[in-house]
Amino acid sequence: ETGVTQTPRHLVMGMTNKKSLKCEQHLGHNAMYWYKQSAKKPLELMFVYSLEERVENNSVPSRFSPECPNSSHLFLHLHTLQPEDSALYLCASSQVYRTGHNEQFFGPGTRLTVL
Amino acid sequence: LAKTTQPISMDSYEGQEVNITCSHNNIATNDYITWYQQFPSQGPRFIIQGYKTKVTNEVASLFIPADRKSSTLSLPRVSLSDTAVYYCLVGDVYQGGKLIFGQGTELSVKP
Repeated sequence: ETGVTQTPRHLVMGMTNKKSLKCEQHLGHNAMYWYKQSAKKPLELMFVYSLEERVENNSVPSRFSPECPNSSHLFLHLHTLQPEDSALYLCASSQVYRTGHNEQFFGPGTRLTVL
Repeated sequence: LAKTTQPISMDSYEGQEVNITCSHNNIATNDYITWYQQFPSQGPRFIIQGYKTKVTNEVASLFIPADRKSSTLSLPRVSLSDTAVYYCLVGDVYQGGKLIFGQGTELSVKP
C-alpha cells in the first residue's frame, strides 16, 4: 500500500468500550499527526509525534491516548468516550515536523460514532 | 498564528475559472500560505503553497500581493470533480507542523 492508511474506516462504540484507531504511513516520514473533524467544524489538531516522541498535545481529554511505537505507525486508544466525541478522526504524516514547506499527507479517516 | 478569513461557500459552473480569496491581515514574516482541498469523508489534500508573488503548479495558481495580507487560489477550468472544501492556512515556516484549519470555502461546481 502507498500513502497513509487508517483502520478501521468506520467504528461504532458504546461509552464503556475500549477501542483503538490505527494509522500507518508508507512514505518514510518522521512526523505523524492526529486530527479530529466534527460535523461542520474545522479540523482540530490533537497530537503530534516527531521521531516517535510526542511533541504536541492540544488539551485533549485523557480518554484519548495516543501511541507511536515507531515512525510508521500511530495509534489512538479510546476509552469511556462521550457521544460528542463522534467525529471523523484523521491521521496525517509529514517528512519532518518543524520546517517550512511542510506538506502533510492525510489518511482517509475513521468515522467514529459513540452511542 | 495568523487567522484566515475566506468565503464560506461559492458556486461555479464547469469550465469556468474559480478564484477563492483568503484574508490574513496579521500574517508574519515567517509565515507561508498553503491551500488544501478536502472531499467529503476524506482527508485534506495539499494543493499549493507560496510565500509571495505567484506560484503555479499542474493543479492551481496562487497569487499573493506584495503586502501578503491576502492570497487568491485560482482553479482554471473547473470540473464537477473540483467540488470540495478548500482551506487556506497560514503557518510559521519554523512551526510547519502546526496547521490551523479554518472553516474553509465550500465550492460547488455545477454542470
